[in-house]
Amino acid sequence: RKEVEQDPGPFNVPEGATVAFNCTYSNSASQSFFWYRQDCRKEPKLLMSVYSSGNEDGRFTAQLNRASQYISLLIRDSKLSDSATYLCVVRSGGYQKVTFGTGTKLQVIP
Amino acid sequence: NAGVTQTPKFQVLKTGQSMTLQCAQDMNHEYMSWYRQDPGMGLRLIHYSVGAGITDQGEVPNGYNVSRSTTEDFPLRLLSAAPSQTSVYFCASSEGTSGAKTPYEQYFGPGTRLTVT
Repeated sequence: RKEVEQDPGPFNVPEGATVAFNCTYSNSASQSFFWYRQDCRKEPKLLMSVYSSGNEDGRFTAQLNRASQYISLLIRDSKLSDSATYLCVVRSGGYQKVTFGTGTKLQVIP
Repeated sequence: NAGVTQTPKFQVLKTGQSMTLQCAQDMNHEYMSWYRQDPGMGLRLIHYSVGAGITDQGEVPNGYNVSRSTTEDFPLRLLSAAPSQTSVYFCASSEGTSGAKTPYEQYFGPGTRLTVT
């Protein structure tokens, strides 16, 4: 089993739709969780951290379920500019103890 | 601030050649890393550094060397290029946990696309 698993997609959704991605992780000792966004042929950029109680940043909501070992990202009112690949990142210790998922591709359609 | 810069953007090498990928950051970050990104795989850590003069191996270090003589620069050397090293290479930096809004948030450079023939 991979340490961090994501559905590669693509998820094709119309503008204005709500879309959700999940990411499962295998290490129960994992400490912190993040979603990064990567545009085509660009570098990854931090979208948001994921806190135990769940957190929201505008149209984006992230949640953590430690019991089932997954995190989720919900995007409401999808915009064309949300089209990108979303990387799940799990940290299980110090700086170097980080695992990136392979990413979920989102395509928002006019 | 320029953030994290990488050169070159693109490079084609022949098998057996050596080269250095350059990485620099102007944010005074203590932590720096090199990753490679291949289709169908997540970013994999090659080498990392927790401060000037300190480096260590990541998940896939074979065939690569690094050094960190200054806080700003973290070059990656390919010793004898192989086709298996064809990839996109990203350098990243982080201020760690001290005073950071998001501990260990990583700032990535624009990447170097390397092809080895």
